[in-house]
Amino acid sequence: AQKITQTQPGMFVQEKEAVTLDCTYDTSDPSYGLFWYKQPSSGEMIFLIYQGSYDQQNATEGRYSLNFQKARKSANLVISASQLGDSAMYFCAMREGFKAAGNKLTFGGGTRVLVKP
Amino acid sequence: DTEVTQTPKHLVMGMTNKKSLKCEQHMGHRAMYWYKQKAKKPPELMFVYSYEKLSINESVPSRFSPECPNSSLLNLHLHALQPEDSALYLCASSQGRVGRYPPGETQYFGPGTRLLVL
Repeated sequence: AQKITQTQPGMFVQEKEAVTLDCTYDTSDPSYGLFWYKQPSSGEMIFLIYQGSYDQQNATEGRYSLNFQKARKSANLVISASQLGDSAMYFCAMREGFKAAGNKLTFGGGTRVLVKP
Repeated sequence: DTEVTQTPKHLVMGMTNKKSLKCEQHMGHRAMYWYKQKAKKPPELMFVYSYEKLSINESVPSRFSPECPNSSLLNLHLHALQPEDSALYLCASSQGRVGRYPPGETQYFGPGTRLLVL
């Protein structure tokens, strides 16, 4: 079973509007971390935001916020006031528990966002 | 400064060639990673080094050989590759620590090397 699911393969958003990217996850570990990365066409994976399973408040970083609904196991990324430079692939990823060295990130399939002027 | 650098940016090689990909970070991180990413897919973990020791090998074919000469450098040596090995190869690093990692250990990625095997 997939541990991270991103159901939106692609979406368009109008410049200056907000967009929500969906991410659901599956884990039985009470301690986990959720990450969002942005990958422009150049290829670099850019870290955007992190949410820990025990964090009481939703994470925010500038125009990025994470709508964390623990009971529903969802961690949606909200990008406010979209800009043309936000056009990219976005990956949700999870890291489970306190693991030994190098525990890997589990990535979702990604959502491609295209911002229209 | 969260910069991870990778060279070269692009590489074209024949199936009989030997080449190396290089990755460098100056963030004082002690864990470094190699990922392979095919088009329109998420990255797939290949190797993890922790404190210059190989800690994870995700059953990668031996034609890929990683090396960590010191805490800042990570190499991936390529030999006798196949056309299906053509992909974006990403390097990443994270803080690293002795013992178990908390779930919030963030990995920072480099720009990648686009490899084409002919």
